[in-house]
Amino acid sequence: DTEVTQTPKHLVMGMTNKKSLKCEQHMGHRAMYWYKQKAKKPPELMFVYSYEKLSINESVPSRFSPECPNSSLLNLHLHALQPEDSALYLCASSAGSSGANVLTFGAGSRLTVL
Amino acid sequence: QKEVEQNSGPLSVPEGAIASLNCTYSDRGSQSFFWYRQYSGKSPELIMFIYSNGDKEDGRFTAQLNKASQYVSLLIRDSQPSDSATYLCAVNKDQTSGTYKYIFGTGTRLKVLA
Repeated sequence: DTEVTQTPKHLVMGMTNKKSLKCEQHMGHRAMYWYKQKAKKPPELMFVYSYEKLSINESVPSRFSPECPNSSLLNLHLHALQPEDSALYLCASSAGSSGANVLTFGAGSRLTVL
Repeated sequence: QKEVEQNSGPLSVPEGAIASLNCTYSDRGSQSFFWYRQYSGKSPELIMFIYSNGDKEDGRFTAQLNKASQYVSLLIRDSQPSDSATYLCAVNKDQTSGTYKYIFGTGTRLKVLA
């Protein structure tokens, strides 16, 4: 299994809602990432988990809350989002977080905040 | 200065020609370099990576790395209309915490004209 699976593919939420994005990989990768991508922009790193511990938080607003329940799962909890948070949210994983480890991306979750 | 810079394009080449995509990076400590292809509305997919000076070939693709000049390029031979996409250059950067960040350039949009 060489896939990173993200659910849901599409999510529409109001500014007062609480929702979660989910990501799963079964490649035995030990590092997992959340990226945010706006149209015609590159992926922008949000969080990195290494061996199930949060190792990088790119000063992301607290309305985004990551969680890594185990080495295969990564969640992104969303609360009180703003319309400008509408974007494609990409989960990725790598065998480790160092050296020439390749990032494998999921298909993404497209989020629309009304 | 951006950490990873690419010409946004579009770069237009006729079918069958060689497409040359360029990327420069600012951190001399960067160790690994990646090329991803991203079709509109899809997630990035890895084309190839390189971490030693010189050339690395994989089918129609050749990555070139020059660490002294802080320059990495991707050549696509016999370009096909299906190669039309945005090509993202990414650099793996040590965060001193033992975790590496993957930093993406803004991407070059390639159009292969039939």
